[in-house]
Amino acid sequence: DARVTQTPRHKVTEMGQEVTMRCQPILGHNTVFWYRQTMMQGLELLAYFRNRAPLDDSGMPKDRFSAEMPDATLATLKIQPSEPRDSAVYFCASGLEREWNEQFFGPGTRLTVL
Amino acid sequence: AQSVAQPEDQVNVAEGNPLTVKCTYSVSGNPYLFWYVQYPNRGLQFLLKYITGDNLVKGSYGFEAEFNKSQTSFHLKKPSALVSDSALYFCAVRDLNSGGYQKVTFGTGTKLQVIP
Repeated sequence: DARVTQTPRHKVTEMGQEVTMRCQPILGHNTVFWYRQTMMQGLELLAYFRNRAPLDDSGMPKDRFSAEMPDATLATLKIQPSEPRDSAVYFCASGLEREWNEQFFGPGTRLTVL
Repeated sequence: AQSVAQPEDQVNVAEGNPLTVKCTYSVSGNPYLFWYVQYPNRGLQFLLKYITGDNLVKGSYGFEAEFNKSQTSFHLKKPSALVSDSALYFCAVRDLNSGGYQKVTFGTGTKLQVIP
């Protein structure tokens, strides 16, 4: 049963610290998405990768957020420095590149910045 | 530009009764439409999608959705609700003309509460 995995599942950190979240997409999927979910803003797209190349990161605060795919089995989302307003659940999703294909979501990383 | 609206923040329904979760969309071309479900402390899970063809789409867990082009709607339905259907439901849309990659727009979500 192929699944998207994310680590860590929970992270509590202090303001100003660096946070790195990791995602392993489903083997064979060539698109990866990072989303942020909060009560106030709902589900926001932060970044999108296709074949490991970033295609859209317009939803991501550029000054503190960065997203990469070092290889096809790993996607990372980094926040440096973290702020309390970054507290949210961060989801990674993967899929196959066809417009009609659904996305497969990971379980999320719940981030709390104190 | 594409958008999707879920007009109800919450829907309450008695167990065994039919349920409907509403979704309307706006696209410049033809839409691909999706429904996802999110259970507490879990990621979103795909339920069903409309691409083309039959306006009534059947999906997982007995859910179905009806595509109505004239009303630009894609309402989620189930004939008989279960308590275990209680969750957050997201409608999503992708415009065929939105570009060369798989960006979709999600609605704000509707919380479904099935009352025993």
